[in-house]
Amino acid sequence: AQSVTQPDIHITVSEGASLELRCNYSYGATPYLFWYVQSPGQGLQLLLKYFSGDTLVQGIKGFEAEFKRSQSSFNLRKPSVHWSDAAEYFCAVGPSGTYKYIFGTGTRLKVLA
Amino acid sequence: DVKVTQSSRYLVKRTGEKVFLECVQDMDHENMFWYRQDPGLGLRLIYFSYDVKMKEKGDIPEGYSVSREKKERFSLILESASTNQTSMYLCASSSDTRSGNTIYFGEGSWLTVV
Repeated sequence: AQSVTQPDIHITVSEGASLELRCNYSYGATPYLFWYVQSPGQGLQLLLKYFSGDTLVQGIKGFEAEFKRSQSSFNLRKPSVHWSDAAEYFCAVGPSGTYKYIFGTGTRLKVLA
Repeated sequence: DVKVTQSSRYLVKRTGEKVFLECVQDMDHENMFWYRQDPGLGLRLIYFSYDVKMKEKGDIPEGYSVSREKKERFSLILESASTNQTSMYLCASSSDTRSGNTIYFGEGSWLTVV
């Protein structure tokens, strides 16, 4: 069955430090891949997405993600975290040709001043 | 910008009540979705609609129904609310998720059933 795993439930980093959030998926072919961010009490906002081509994808707010086919991973990174990045982050996969995207359980990011 | 509007942000309902959650999108999107979000469980798909008057069950449809009479509006109905339906409900839309198009979310509706 298709699945998405975000192994880290909570991550705490200091402001200015680098960040990497992990995402692994299980799917036979390469699906569409997404990262969303959810600020407290709000809906989800798209950070970036990968369809094909260049495996390093740039997104909004200084985020990037790298697709690694051999590891079935799509990890999100940011070189220097800002306090406003504190939020919950969701990885999602969309198997080609289907309506349903599958979301991970989320990683909650805390940023220390 | 795409806007997905959920009319009620916070609701408190009694057990057994019929509850309507309304959602409107302004981008002429074909696909609309209702998700439920619970801590530690992520987003779970309740129902989706790929076109007007069309609907399909998601992963957790039990206790819910939906209605899509107009393209821009997608309603989630709890026929008889129960305490285990206390949750955050997210409506979303997309032009066509089969092609990997972005899903846009509303701000969510917090439902408490007492």
